[in-house]
Amino acid sequence: QKEVEQNSGPLSVPEGAIASLNCTYSDRVSQSFFWYRQYSGKSPELIMSIYSNGDKEDGRFTAQLNKASQYVSLLIRDSQPSDSATYLCAVNKGDYGGSQGNLIFGKGTKLSVKP
Amino acid sequence: DAMVIQNPRYQVTQFGKPVTLSCSQTLNHNVMYWYQQKSSQAPKLLFHYYDKDFNNEADTPDNFQSRRPNTSFCFLDIRSPGLGDAAMYLCATSRAGTGINYGYTFGSGTRLTVV
Repeated sequence: QKEVEQNSGPLSVPEGAIASLNCTYSDRVSQSFFWYRQYSGKSPELIMSIYSNGDKEDGRFTAQLNKASQYVSLLIRDSQPSDSATYLCAVNKGDYGGSQGNLIFGKGTKLSVKP
Repeated sequence: DAMVIQNPRYQVTQFGKPVTLSCSQTLNHNVMYWYQQKSSQAPKLLFHYYDKDFNNEADTPDNFQSRRPNTSFCFLDIRSPGLGDAAMYLCATSRAGTGINYGYTFGSGTRLTVV
């Protein structure tokens, strides 16, 4: 099983709709979870972090974490064409040695928001 | 503004000719990472420095080396680039040792082409 799995998409939603992006991870001891947005040809940009079970909201973005199911998701409300990008899920490598901070990335889900 | 800067933005090198990519940061973060990202793939960790301590991933080819002469700078050396090394190389930094993983700050990346 891959360490961090995402549906590669593309996920296409109309402008103004809710986009739902999903991610599963394999390491049960992982403690930190992140969503990065990556525009084509650009580097990843951090948009959300979540550490505890439940929901975390920041503007139009909501991250959801369920550690028992090893599942993390990102909801984008009122999707805009400028949200069209690849969204990378990242999970910290779960050992507690020097690599505690290392992130393992999924391949990303490509989101397309149609006007 | 505090940031992570990578140079050059685009690099073209000849097959087998050594090349060096550079990264600098003004964030005073103690951890610096090098990731390789090929088209439509997840960023793959090559190595990282935790302060001066070098940590190599087990599957990073020997062709890749790194140097961190001081806190602010980190270099990626590719001794004999092959066509398969063409990719985006991402430098990232993080602040570790606080008990919380805040995620990474990425540089703008260097797109390497091997001809």
